[in-house]
Amino acid sequence: DAGVIQSPRHEVTEMGQEVTLRCKPISGHDYLFWYRQTMMRGLELLIYFNNNVPIDDSGMPEDRFSAKMPNASFSTLKIQPSEPRDSAVYFCASRRGDSGNTIYFGEGSWLTVV
Amino acid sequence: GENVEQHPSTLSVQEGDSAVIKCTYSDSASNYFPWYKQELGKRPQLIIDIRSNVGEKKDQRIAVTLNKTAKHFSLHITETQPEDSAVYFCAAAVSGYKLSFGAGTTVTVRA
Repeated sequence: DAGVIQSPRHEVTEMGQEVTLRCKPISGHDYLFWYRQTMMRGLELLIYFNNNVPIDDSGMPEDRFSAKMPNASFSTLKIQPSEPRDSAVYFCASRRGDSGNTIYFGEGSWLTVV
Repeated sequence: GENVEQHPSTLSVQEGDSAVIKCTYSDSASNYFPWYKQELGKRPQLIIDIRSNVGEKKDQRIAVTLNKTAKHFSLHITETQPEDSAVYFCAAAVSGYKLSFGAGTTVTVRA
């Protein structure tokens, strides 16, 4: 299995631009999570999906952030417009609901907004 | 929501010595407690986990203990090696759905 796949791995963008991060969960996993990691705030859960349906988006910082999961093998996290304080590593993770609780992380998308 | 506190924030040990990291949690309903290791520039990777019906679990040089009454759990690494140097995160969740992470412990193993 290729694991959770994220793209892009690194992105540098200018303030005000739209950023789209992409994730392909592990095949057969029905839960998908988006986390953000910063030095100041650590690992924060932004949103998670079950069977492509958003279950809890209480961690999404503000309306500039949105996430979608159009099918079982693809999710996006969009930031529009981006701001310098959005600079962070964004991790996508997935798990299979009926086989224990282990959550597997992708390699992360390193976002820098200048 | 769940609040997880982790101590210490940094830990330096001599190679071969033991390392202990402690975490406390706030939600008594939490029943799943994983530990993740994150090397510089890499993803967090699960190293061991424990569920609330178990008090202790071991995997080679790593062990985790859980005290549900006191709402704390600990990671023990014995016979530390240079490759154990990394950031370690504890987490807690109800059935693994919403992991709340501790702030992390940077472990440095001195050769």
